[in-house]
Amino acid sequence: KAGVTQTPRYLIKTRGQQVTLSCSPISGHRSVSWYQQTPGQGLQFLFEYFSETQRNKGNFPGRFSGRQFSNSRSEMNVSTLELGDSALYLCASSSDGTYGYTFGSGTRLTVV
Amino acid sequence: AQSVTQPDIHITVSEGASLELRCNYSYGATPYLFWYVQSPGQGLQLLLKYFSGDTLVQGIKGFEAEFKRSQSSFNLRKPSVHWSDAAEYFCAVGSGGGGSQGNLIFGKGTKLSVKP
Repeated sequence: KAGVTQTPRYLIKTRGQQVTLSCSPISGHRSVSWYQQTPGQGLQFLFEYFSETQRNKGNFPGRFSGRQFSNSRSEMNVSTLELGDSALYLCASSSDGTYGYTFGSGTRLTVV
Repeated sequence: AQSVTQPDIHITVSEGASLELRCNYSYGATPYLFWYVQSPGQGLQLLLKYFSGDTLVQGIKGFEAEFKRSQSSFNLRKPSVHWSDAAEYFCAVGSGGGGSQGNLIFGKGTKLSVKP
């Protein structure tokens, strides 16, 4: 069974640009969550989608957005990138969001 | 507000020695508790989880954790550490409205080093 796949693995962007990260959950999983990991703030919840609907949202500015498609694949978008957005972005999937999540290896975003 | 505290930022143990990583949580209702491990440059791997029932939970790789409601703790233990256990360990509590556990609150992590 394939795990959670995140693409790309590494990304370098310039301040002010926007970026889209992709996450393919485990087959059959309908819940996808996104987290930002930085050395200073640790792991912080961004948002969760279940069956194409956003169920929960963390305390991030509106520049951070996401969506989920009918096949459960999810994307997150960050507009007007700032240096502080440099982080490891982790995606996690669960069959129904209630019994623990399987995480992907993450996308390392560097903003220069 | 819900929170998770891992008091130890960095722990070093000798290979073969026992290990205990501490985790304290603050949560109003019955918590869903998790331990994850992260190797450098990798995502998080679930070691074990507690939802209800037996307060001693067995996980993968020989790890176990004990839920103590009176102490708001969920400490992770392993009787004999292997060099491959060197990694960063995260305790997390499940939090979310509408029955969703998608919002995990993580502790800051404990980095484990293993001496040969």
